[in-house]
Amino acid sequence: EAEVAQSPRYKITEKSQAVAFWCDPISGHATLYWYRQILGQGPELLVQFQDESVVDDSQLPKDRFSAERLKGVDSTLKIQPAELGDSAMYLCASSLWSSGNTIYFGEGSWLTVV
Amino acid sequence: KNEVEQSPQNLTAQEGEFITINCSYSVGISALHWLQQHPGGGIVSLFMLSSGKKKHGRLIATINIQEKHSSLHITASHPRDSAVYICPNSGGGADGLTFGKGTHLIIQP
Repeated sequence: EAEVAQSPRYKITEKSQAVAFWCDPISGHATLYWYRQILGQGPELLVQFQDESVVDDSQLPKDRFSAERLKGVDSTLKIQPAELGDSAMYLCASSLWSSGNTIYFGEGSWLTVV
Repeated sequence: KNEVEQSPQNLTAQEGEFITINCSYSVGISALHWLQQHPGGGIVSLFMLSSGKKKHGRLIATINIQEKHSSLHITASHPRDSAVYICPNSGGGADGLTFGKGTHLIIQP
């Protein structure tokens, strides 16, 4: 069964270092989402792509976070420099098109900043 | 603003019990999802609803668009159903999902 792939699964990094997460959505899915989930809370949307274009990045802390989906397929989310408060799970999800389609989530990437 | 509220926030039940989790939202939506998240794990999409009712195995999801309310039912609950159940929706002018805090379900053997 097709799935959303994410890596790394777990990452520990020191404060002020750079960290990157990768996501490969289900083949053919035009919409890709990055969510951040802090322990005990629901996920919050960081960025949404439609193909290679950013549709919504209003909640992305742009001073330190960046996301790209250059060829409209896989995507990278980068944090530089990492801060202690960035410790969370970063979830990638994809769907055929936005709204009204089933959304498929990856296993998530756990980040611990020390 | 699109707000999602779930009840109960925490639920502990015995194996075999019929479980109901409720979800209310505040704006018109295009679709509502029911998701399952196991501790430390990723998220599994259970249902996507825009109207009516869907059934998959022991799980049933219903939605009432007029009342802005959805329910997830689990029949013959099992300890492996223990997870956080979340009902995000897409609406309020945004395509991304709006999440509530979820319902923590524990099924005891």
